[in-house]
Parts: sequence; C-alpha cells; structure tokens
Amino acid sequence: QQQVKQSPQSLIVQKGGISIINCAYENTAFDYFPWYQQFPGKGPALLIAIRPDVSEKKEGRFTISFNKSAKQFSLHIMDSQPGDSATYFCAAIDYKLSFGAGTTVTVRA
Amino acid sequence: NAGVTQTPKFQVLKTGQSMTLQCAQDMNHEYMSWYRQDPGMGLRLIHYSVGAGITDQGEVPNGYNVSRSTTEDFPLRLLSAAPSQTSVYFCASGEWDEQYFGPGTRLTVT
Repeated sequence: QQQVKQSPQSLIVQKGGISIINCAYENTAFDYFPWYQQFPGKGPALLIAIRPDVSEKKEGRFTISFNKSAKQFSLHIMDSQPGDSATYFCAAIDYKLSFGAGTTVTVRA
Repeated sequence: NAGVTQTPKFQVLKTGQSMTLQCAQDMNHEYMSWYRQDPGMGLRLIHYSVGAGITDQGEVPNGYNVSRSTTEDFPLRLLSAAPSQTSVYFCASGEWDEQYFGPGTRLTVT
C-alpha cells in the first residue's frame, strides 16, 4: 500500500498553461517532501523539495504548496513548456524515501 | 565524476535463472538503495544500506538479496527470477534529503 497518494495519473496542458499535481499522505512521521522529475529512459532527479513547517516554496516556474493540517501538498508548474514533458513523482521521507505513483505530464506546443 | 552507474542496461532472463545487477557510485555516499519501477506504482524500495556492512529491507524485498562490502558498490542479486520481477530497476545513492539515481536496468523475465 502506497504511503503517498498522487493524482492525476496523467495530464495534458497547452504550452504556457499551468500543470497541477496533488499528493496526500497519512504518516505524520514524514518530515521532508521532495518532488522528482523523470524523463523517458532516465533515472529520476530531484526537482524541488519542502519542509512541513513551510507553506510554499518556489523555484523558477515550479512551486510546492504544503498544507500540513490536511496532510496534502501539490506541485504547480507555471508557464508550462514542452521541455517540462516528463513524469513527476511526489515523495516523502521519514527514515526512507516513499514515492507516489507518478504523474505523466505532456505539454502540447 | 560518473555519479551512479548501473550495469547491464538491459537483461532478459528465463524463469529460475539468477543474476546480479551491479551498482556503483563515486560520490562517497554512505546511503545507497535499490528501487523497482512498475507502471502505475511509482518506485518501490527493495533494499537499502546506510554504510558498508549494513543493509536492511525495504517495501518489496522478497526474491532479492543485497550486500555492501565497500562504500562504492551495492549489487542486487535475483536468486531465482520470476516473471513478476520484470521491471525497471534503479539504484540510488545520496544524503537523506537528495537521492541521485542511476540510469536504470530494464529486466525481462520470460
């Protein structure tokens, strides 16, 4: 049973649009929440991460929003570009890394 | 600095065969781990190691063995391959807040 639930499974967005991926967890021992980005044929790579005492973190066009009371967090990709087409995994760390199921994002030019 | 390397890139096994997936890192990380990636299931932790001589089970350890004799190497052994072990396998190393993944091994068991 996955400890981090991720939705949607896939999404299609037009160039310049906003992609939103949502994740939820139950384990209150999680104390760090990274997002990984994976291109076809490659291993995942860290994209951005947040601690639970912060409600929002922004790096360029990527923003994490975190709601500790609801045990939910989300990734927003602003001004989506074709090069953002990839699979995105949310994750959570207690003493090990637990991944969500992944969201495949396709950005249409 | 090669990062995390994995061999082979592709492998086809028959049911019952055994093999070892190799993983090496040159970043002097104590923490290393193995994941399998299956469609719709994300990455699931198989085994991990917090240093040479120390290994522990992850979420899906059955059918796999690991050992860690050096900081650099963390091989994954399939004892008797089964079709359910058809997957893409990733090795990772890193600190607690960032894992660096290798390029993966695509394994098919027929």
